[in-house]
Amino acid sequence: DTAVSQTPKYLVTQMGNDKSIKCEQNLGHDTMYWYKQDSKKFLKIMFSYNNKELIINETVPNRFSPKSPDKAHLNLHINSLELGDSAVYFCASSQVTGTEAFFGQGTRLTVV
Amino acid sequence: GENVEQHPSTLSVQEGDSAVIKCTYSDSASNYFPWYKQELGKRPQLIIDIRSNVGEKKDQRIAVTLNKTAKHFSLHITETQPEDSAVYFCAARGNQFYFGTGTSLTVIP
Repeated sequence: DTAVSQTPKYLVTQMGNDKSIKCEQNLGHDTMYWYKQDSKKFLKIMFSYNNKELIINETVPNRFSPKSPDKAHLNLHINSLELGDSAVYFCASSQVTGTEAFFGQGTRLTVV
Repeated sequence: GENVEQHPSTLSVQEGDSAVIKCTYSDSASNYFPWYKQELGKRPQLIIDIRSNVGEKKDQRIAVTLNKTAKHFSLHITETQPEDSAVYFCAARGNQFYFGTGTSLTVIP
């Protein structure tokens, strides 16, 4: 069974479009995250979310918004896509106390 | 928020030699320090971790050391093999996971 799964794996879209990436975890974790990995391989935290708190990295444009329909899902919505949004986006999950984060397989977003 | 610095950004070693990657962090509230390995085109995966109440941990050819006073921790890989070639990330966890900038390790056969 896949622990953290995200869809789609690849996403190619035009500038100005709105798109969503879905993430689901079946580990029973209470915290989920979105990371952006750019061409230099830097892993930058975008959001972390549990049922009590959403923490937003202050550098993330408000075109990006997380939506959590339930504890096992954290989807990422992106409005008005820009060329600079092209990157690999990773979803991850963990327990709120200090344990490892498990990553999804990543979504490679290409904005043309 | 937390600031995690990682060095070096690239590292080449001969097969069989040791590799050392170093990280520093800024938030004294961080209490969990995992290391991830990311192979090309794949997701980051945990290889070893250490908690703030432990100074050193070893798992076969890999070991991690932590100096809480100095706020730095290191990954040591001994007897490197070509399959160790990958990007390695350190991380520090307080209220979120903050990752270092990554080290691209190449093991030359």
